[in-house]
Amino acid sequence: GDSVTQMEGPVTLSEEAFLTINCTYTATGYPSLFWYVQYPGEGLQLLLKATKADDKGSNKGFEATYRKETTSFHLEKGSVQVSDSAVYFCALSGGYGQNFVFGPGTRLSVLP
Amino acid sequence: EAQVTQNPRYLITVTGKKLTVTCSQNMNHEYMSWYRQDPGLGLRQIYYSMNVEVTDKGDVPEGYKVSRKEKRNFPLILESPSPNQTSLYFCASSRPPSTGNTEAFFGQGTRLTVV
Repeated sequence: GDSVTQMEGPVTLSEEAFLTINCTYTATGYPSLFWYVQYPGEGLQLLLKATKADDKGSNKGFEATYRKETTSFHLEKGSVQVSDSAVYFCALSGGYGQNFVFGPGTRLSVLP
Repeated sequence: EAQVTQNPRYLITVTGKKLTVTCSQNMNHEYMSWYRQDPGLGLRQIYYSMNVEVTDKGDVPEGYKVSRKEKRNFPLILESPSPNQTSLYFCASSRPPSTGNTEAFFGQGTRLTVV
């Protein structure tokens, strides 16, 4: 079945450092890809998405590009802030399976 | 405001005492799902529903029931809770993949403790 693999962390960075969280997927069909963020004590919120190959999703300084050839959707940010500390989930939807499959989540801590 | 509402947010109960966690969405979404989140295991899908009266098992359905009598509501039922069901639960709703717009909206979560 469909699956998502991502680096589990935890990842600890200093403020203004560069962030990469790797995500790769396995899916039949042509899924949409997502990054969700979960701040402490809250539910998941959509951070960005891409619906087809070579699309780039971006939001709040975060970016990810849908790479069909490497089945990847790595999350990047050029300069992280303390307020970016959260758990980040990579997910896919719309393969030939049912709707959403999530990765295990990556906890990011940004130190001042 | 588009939202998914779960209740209660926190619940402590005893083994074997039936409970229901409610979930309601106001976006007219066809798809609804329940997940549990456990440390080191990420989000695992319990049940999902593609429309009214259409439900199916996810990855970890044992010990849970659901129903979808109305489009907006998707309650999660634990007939006889056990301590291994202590977890953080999320409800989500979305449109079907065929729409090309499948962003999932999540509730705030229900933290359940079974003693």
